[in-house]
Amino acid sequence: QVQLQESGPGLVKPSQTLSLTCTVAGGSLNSGDHYWTWIRQSPGKGLEWIGYIYYFGTTYYNPSLKSRLTMSLDTSKNQFSLNLTSVTAADTAVYFCARAGEATGELDSWGQGALVTVSS
Amino acid sequence: SYVLTQPPSVSVAPGQTARISCGGDNIGSKSVNWYQQTPGQAPVLVVYDDSDRPSGIPERFSGSNSGNTATLTISRVEAGDEADYFCQVWHSDSDHYVVFGGGTKLAVL
Repeated sequence: QVQLQESGPGLVKPSQTLSLTCTVAGGSLNSGDHYWTWIRQSPGKGLEWIGYIYYFGTTYYNPSLKSRLTMSLDTSKNQFSLNLTSVTAADTAVYFCARAGEATGELDSWGQGALVTVSS
Repeated sequence: SYVLTQPPSVSVAPGQTARISCGGDNIGSKSVNWYQQTPGQAPVLVVYDDSDRPSGIPERFSGSNSGNTATLTISRVEAGDEADYFCQVWHSDSDHYVVFGGGTKLAVL
């Protein structure tokens, strides 16, 4: 059974870059039948899709975040990463990494989530 | 952009049937996925591709999708079903995007 785990700083200053990594165990980023996905949830709010990356590096981003967003993957470490620049308090959220099925986009495996607070 | 609309809350007595709707323009032409989230936890997939259940999800959870409304139905509701439920669609045409509904709080009376 695949397991995902987010890691990264829990506190980021305004205007700086938020960087998170997701480590995948029990499955390969090279499988070719999944999209590796980031989602966030602001305190007390709903879920927001950030974007996903396919095994050969193709990325798809939420248009509202696209100008600040970069995703990448490291197949040698079985990790994928998120960089979000110029953060503000509005970017404070729990960030989840997840695996999406290629056929119908179902998110069938999730990390436990990482709270990132943007504050000086 | 595509919008999914869910009722903020649904209340049901134990043993009864809960129905949670998810409205969207011609949503019946899309595949809908449903998630259950309890406080402090990551969401869990309970229905995918409109009406399929992942392994380990009780048969009490079912889904349907037609026209402008998808529905998650929970039969014989238990106290442990109290949670937030989110619908989700995925568009993969010339561009890709994922949309979530705003979520519905299921209260078990």
